Amino acid sequence: DTGVSQNPRHKITKRGQNVTFRCDPISEHNRLYWYRQTLGQGPEFLTYFQNEAQLEKSRLLSDRFSAERPKGSFSTLEIQRTEQGDSAMYLCASSLALANTGELFFGEGSRLTVL
Amino acid sequence: AQRVTQPEKLLSVFKGAPVELKCNYSYSGSPELFWYVQYSRQRLQLLLRHISRESIKGFTADLNKGETSFHLKKPFAQEEDSAMYYCALKYNFNKFYFGSGTKLNVKP
Repeated sequence: DTGVSQNPRHKITKRGQNVTFRCDPISEHNRLYWYRQTLGQGPEFLTYFQNEAQLEKSRLLSDRFSAERPKGSFSTLEIQRTEQGDSAMYLCASSLALANTGELFFGEGSRLTVL
Repeated sequence: AQRVTQPEKLLSVFKGAPVELKCNYSYSGSPELFWYVQYSRQRLQLLLRHISRESIKGFTADLNKGETSFHLKKPFAQEEDSAMYYCALKYNFNKFYFGSGTKLNVKP
């Protein structure tokens, strides 16, 4: 499967712990996005990268959240000192900038439950 | 600021009936609108985009700038159309704002 891959698919943690999610985009895609989705809502933009550069972060992304994309390939999203409000589905998507079709290719998501 | 509104959380129709999923947007720039769909236990995927003016799986959507709408329509719903549908606005060249989604339930 050459689609966007995310892991872990599910993570249950206690409040105050740190968690890290990984996203492997489609190999030739240079743009990578992180979204968060809570129950009954659509995906909310968190941040995006073009190659290894993080070009924008949403105001939703508190200082406890950090994302990296070393070497412009896979990306990690780390949440420090998790809170119950962080419980959500974290979606990764990738796209090819030059294609200009606007299509995002999504992963299956990483579901976080903070107890 | 940009915004996408999908007023219906749930839409139930019988197989063969027409379907219209509503989407209204607010954006000061030139809008690019999309419909994404998520079938049960599958990932979110693109259904169609307004610039293509295409019909995918019998669905069409027309951008109405006067009414700031991008409603998704299908003349005869099928059971396999049951899914979550999200309207999305592309803004600032690279970012996407998603509506809260409409669950379409097509009954046999």
